[in-house]
This record gives sequence, structure tokens and C-alpha cells, in this order.
Amino acid sequence: KAGVTQTPRYLIKTRGQQVTLSCSPISGHRSVSWYQQTPGQGLQFLFEYFSETQRNKGNFPGRFSGRQFSNSRSEMNVSTLELGDSALYLCASSLDPSGNIQYFGAGTRLSVL
Amino acid sequence: GQNIDQPTEMTATEGAIVQINCTYQTSGFNGLFWYQQHAGEAPTFLSYNVLDGLEEKGRFSSFLSRSKGYSYLLLKELQMKDSASYLCAVRVMEYGNKLVFGAGTILRVKS
Repeated sequence: KAGVTQTPRYLIKTRGQQVTLSCSPISGHRSVSWYQQTPGQGLQFLFEYFSETQRNKGNFPGRFSGRQFSNSRSEMNVSTLELGDSALYLCASSLDPSGNIQYFGAGTRLSVL
Repeated sequence: GQNIDQPTEMTATEGAIVQINCTYQTSGFNGLFWYQQHAGEAPTFLSYNVLDGLEEKGRFSSFLSRSKGYSYLLLKELQMKDSASYLCAVRVMEYGNKLVFGAGTILRVKS
């Protein structure tokens, strides 16, 4: 069974640009959550999607957005990139939001120059 | 507010036992998770506690006391490959997958 797949693995962007990250959950998993990991702040929750609806949102500015498609794949978008957005962005999937274990992908490492 | 505390670093010897503590103060509690993360890799699930007590899974055990806001991860028969960051996370929603993570404990296993 394939795990959570995130693409691309690495990205380099400049300030002001926008970026879209992709996440394909484990087959059969319908809940997808996104996290930002930085050395200073650790892992921080961005948002969660289930059945194409955003169910929970963390404390990030509106520049961070996402969506989920009918096949449960999810994308995350960051607009007007800032230097502080440089981080590892992790996607996690679970069967549903009822407390099941979340399984993480390898992440997308974003560098903003 | 949400606050999860873990020691920053620990060092232990191969073959020994190590206990990594985690204390939490969160607005809501619906389970505590432990993840292992090797440098440059994804966090991998280790254990889940929602009721008080000890959960054992091979060389790894996790304990929870909800009244004390306290958990620990116990690793037995340490191996070099256990050198990694160990993340404590609390699920704070009654319904939903919002996890609040601690900063992680870097465990170094020496021979």
C-alpha cells in the first residue's frame, strides 16, 4: 500500500511569488491535514480537509490556503511568499477526522530567497 | 492556550532504557500521540493514548495520565537506529485531526 505522497520534494522561490504544493493521501484515506515545520516553531497545524471541505484551520494568515479534490488529493497554496515561509511542509492523511492515526508524507521543503 | 513541553535533548547508551517525558496544557484533549522523526524524513507514528495507563508495543511503551497532563515514551533495548527526534502531540479537537505538537526531543544513542 503506497504511503502519503507529496510533490515536489524541494522548491526554491523568491519573495512575492506564489507556490502550490500537492499531497496524495493513502488510498482510502479521506482526511488530509497540513503542517508547517520550522526549527524555531516546530510542527504547526495549518488546516484539515475532509470530503472537499476545510474542517479546521490553524493560526496562519490568509496567504495560506488549500483545497481538496473529490479523489481526496489535496493542494496547498501560499501567495506573496515571505522569507519566513521557508519551511518543511508536511501533509498527513487519516481515514477520517474521528481520531484515527495520521500518517505523514515526506514533506516539501520550501526555500524562499 | 496550548502548551506542550518535552526535554530538548537526551543521550542514552545502546542497550539501555530511556524515558522521554511530555507534559501538556491544552484547551481540549482527545488523545496523545508519539511520533518518531529521523533527520530529513517524515514523522512516523509510534503510539496513541486516549485513556490513562500504559500502552505497550514491542520495544516502545507509552503512558498517559490525563489528570496530571503527563505522558512518557519508554524505549527499551536501545539501538543506534533509535537516534531521532521524538514528537509528543495532543489532539485538541473533539472531532477533527488538529494536532498540537511539542518541539520534540532529540535522542542520541551512543555505543
